[in-house]
Amino acid sequence: DAGVIQSPRHEVTEMGQEVTLRCKPISGHNSLFWYRQTMMRGLELLIYFNNNVPIDDSGMPEDRFSAKMPNASFSTLKIQPSEPRDSAVYFCASSWERQVQETQYFGPGTRLLVL
Amino acid sequence: DAKTTQPPSMDCAEGRAANLPCNHSTISGNEYVYWYRQIHSQGPQYIIHGLKNNETNEMASLIITEDRKSSTLILPHATLRDTAVYYCFLSGYALNFGKGTSLLVTP
Repeated sequence: DAGVIQSPRHEVTEMGQEVTLRCKPISGHNSLFWYRQTMMRGLELLIYFNNNVPIDDSGMPEDRFSAKMPNASFSTLKIQPSEPRDSAVYFCASSWERQVQETQYFGPGTRLLVL
Repeated sequence: DAKTTQPPSMDCAEGRAANLPCNHSTISGNEYVYWYRQIHSQGPQYIIHGLKNNETNEMASLIITEDRKSSTLILPHATLRDTAVYYCFLSGYALNFGKGTSLLVTP
């Protein structure tokens, strides 16, 4: 298996532009997570999907952020409009959840820089 | 609002055992203790998890106290490649990794 795939790996954009981050989870996994990592705040959970349904989006910073999971093999995290404070590494992870949270497998991350 | 607390940093000499503590005094009965690590610039990597019994795998051992209010991750023979940030967190809850413990393994 190729593991969790994220694209792009690096993104540089200007303030006000729309940014779309993409994630392909491991085949067969039914849970997907988006995390953001910064030096100041560490690794934070943004949103968690189970069977393509958002279960907990309490970590999404504000209305500028939105996430979708149209099918079991694809998810997007969109920032519109982007701001410099959104600069961070964004990780996607997937797992096979049964009764308790199973092991999460992380992608390589997308390094976002908003100028 | 992390449910776990860890020291921000630790040092360990290469070849020695690294013992990383984690406090989770409000753990509930169905919550597992999970450990991950993150090597610089990479995504976090699963290490081990447990409910109440001690666990061991090829990477590490996990010791959970009888009251389950704390645990210790043990890397029995630390190498330079074990230098990373180690995260302890609880399952069955909205996952937040917290700041973790930055482990530096020195020659």
